[in-house]
Order: sequence, then structure tokens, then C-alpha cells
Amino acid sequence: GNSVTQMEGPVTLSEEAFLTINCTYTATGYPSLFWYVQYPGEGLQLLLKATKADDKGSNKGFEATYRKETTSFHLEKGSVQVSDSAVYFCALSDGGSGNTGKLIFGQGTTLQVKP
Amino acid sequence: GAGVSQTPSNKVTEKGKYVELRCDPISGHTALYWYRQSLGQGPEFLIYFQGTGAADDSGLPNDRFFAVRPEGSVSTLKIQRTERGDSAVYLCASSLMPSGANVLTFGAGSRLTVL
Repeated sequence: GNSVTQMEGPVTLSEEAFLTINCTYTATGYPSLFWYVQYPGEGLQLLLKATKADDKGSNKGFEATYRKETTSFHLEKGSVQVSDSAVYFCALSDGGSGNTGKLIFGQGTTLQVKP
Repeated sequence: GAGVSQTPSNKVTEKGKYVELRCDPISGHTALYWYRQSLGQGPEFLIYFQGTGAADDSGLPNDRFFAVRPEGSVSTLKIQRTERGDSAVYLCASSLMPSGANVLTFGAGSRLTVL
């Protein structure tokens, strides 16, 4: 079945460092790919998405490119801030034959940014 | 409403008891999803509603779990004969329509603790 694998955390960085969180997926068909973020004490919220191969999603300085050839959707940011400390989840839409919009999530990667 | 509302935010119960968790989606959203998130894990799909009907309940772990959405808006997740392993955060999400590219908006979750 469809699945998502993320790099294990926690990832600890100093402020202004470059961030990469790896995400690879297994899927049939043409899923959409998402990054969701969960800040401390808050609910899951969408960070960015890409709906087809070679699309780049971007938001708040974060970027991820849908790479069909490597089945990857790695999250990057050029300069992290303390306020980026959160848990990041990679997800794909398991549309199946009915396009339900159901999401399959990775296990999450905790990012800690130190001043 | 402005967002997805879930009640209660916290529920502590004893093993063997019955529990109901409520989700009030964004007004006009036809698709509603329930997920379960255990500590340190990504959300796991439980059930998806399109309107009043459960279009996909493949994620419900066993017959102790049941969910309804009688009028196509508010949904209730029901857990019978709770077990300690049911302890988790139960997340509800809604979207305007079921689509692989559509964004799910999540509620803050209901944290269930079974003693």
C-alpha cells in the first residue's frame, strides 16, 4: 500500500542554519504531496503542498519539490528561526479510485532550533 | 464556524467505559475525516465521511469503534469498552470536497486517556 517515510528526529539546529528534512513515498497513481506542521500546543496545519511532478510548494521560507523520479518531497529552508521549532509531517493523498482526499502521514520529524 | 471544533479537548476515562468525541467541521465542508495520533507518531486514518455516509471506514481498528454524521455536519466518534491502548489524540479534519489536491483543515484534537 501507499506509505510515507521521513527522516528520524529530533533535528537540532542553530538559528540561521540550513534545514533539510527528508521525505520519500511509495504510491500508485499520482498522489498530491503535503507538509503539515504542528507547533507546540497547537493543531496540525498545512505548511505547503504540490499536486504534480516537478511542482514546488513554498510558504514561510520553506520549500519542497515533488520529485517523481526519486519519489521524494524533501523539505528545505535556507535560514531557520527559533519560531520554526515544531514537528513536521510529510503526507500524501491516497486518492485511490475515488479521490477521497484521505491523507497518509509519515511519523513526523521534530525540529529544535536553538538561539 | 471559523475552524474545526472538537470536544472535549481532554477526556480521562476508566477501562471498559464508553466514550463519545464530537467534531464540528467548517460550515459547508462536505468531507470529514477522523484520525488517531499516538505519542510520537503521525496521524493514522480512521474513517472518512462524504455527506452523511461513511465512504471509507477501513482505518477503524475493530468493532468497538464507530462514527456517525447523521445530518452531514457534526460527527461523533464512539468508542465502546475502552482499552488502555485506545489512549491517543483523536483528530478531526474537514475539507470543502473530497479531492486528492484538497487541503484538510484539522481541529485541535481530543486527548483520550484510558486508565
